[in-house]
Amino acid sequence: AQKVTQAQTEISVVEKEDVTLDCVYETRDTTYYLFWYKQPPSGELVFLIRRNSFDEQNEISGRYSWNFQKSTSSFNFTITASQVVDSAVYFCALSDAYTGGFKTIFGAGTRLFVKA
Amino acid sequence: GAGVSQSPRYKVAKRGQDVALRCDPISGHVSLFWYQQALGQGPEFLTYFQNEAQLDKSGLPSDRFFAERPEGSVSTLKIQRTQQEDSAVYLCASSYGKEETQYFGPGTRLLVL
Repeated sequence: AQKVTQAQTEISVVEKEDVTLDCVYETRDTTYYLFWYKQPPSGELVFLIRRNSFDEQNEISGRYSWNFQKSTSSFNFTITASQVVDSAVYFCALSDAYTGGFKTIFGAGTRLFVKA
Repeated sequence: GAGVSQSPRYKVAKRGQDVALRCDPISGHVSLFWYQQALGQGPEFLTYFQNEAQLDKSGLPSDRFFAERPEGSVSTLKIQRTQQEDSAVYLCASSYGKEETQYFGPGTRLLVL
């Protein structure tokens, strides 16, 4: 079955610390997409990244980096030198052909608190 | 360009009332999705449109929920005879195609008393 697990419910860090948000997924398909979204207090889901299952290269975008490992079915997200504005709920998500390619399955989210 | 917009942003309804939630997708986006997000949870899929065709409504929790997109642009999610368990944030998303990245609106927070 398709499933996304974000084991960390809440994480609290002090500004400038690095923090990693874990994501483990399950899928029957060899072709799938993984996503990370940010949900600030305003409520809108902000798209951060999309990776397809054939591209295991890690990606860096400014202070954000993502580590995709198919061997462990993980797609972890690291924020370097965290800032107060990073405080939000972060969702990892999966879509695959089995779900029609459009039915995105979300994890329960990890709430990140960054304290000044 | 403009993102996905939703209205109203907040809705309070008495149990048994009907409500209608509106979504304006990004211009040119063919695919439109509705999700329900309960407090403290991730969004859960409700239904999917490609243009005006509703291709999947497997996530709608009951026959009280109805969605339409008659002209392939604006969509309305209607909930009849609302119940307290319908209280949630209803998110709309759109994309260029069904397998493309979905961009979300701000959501409508529904509270049923």
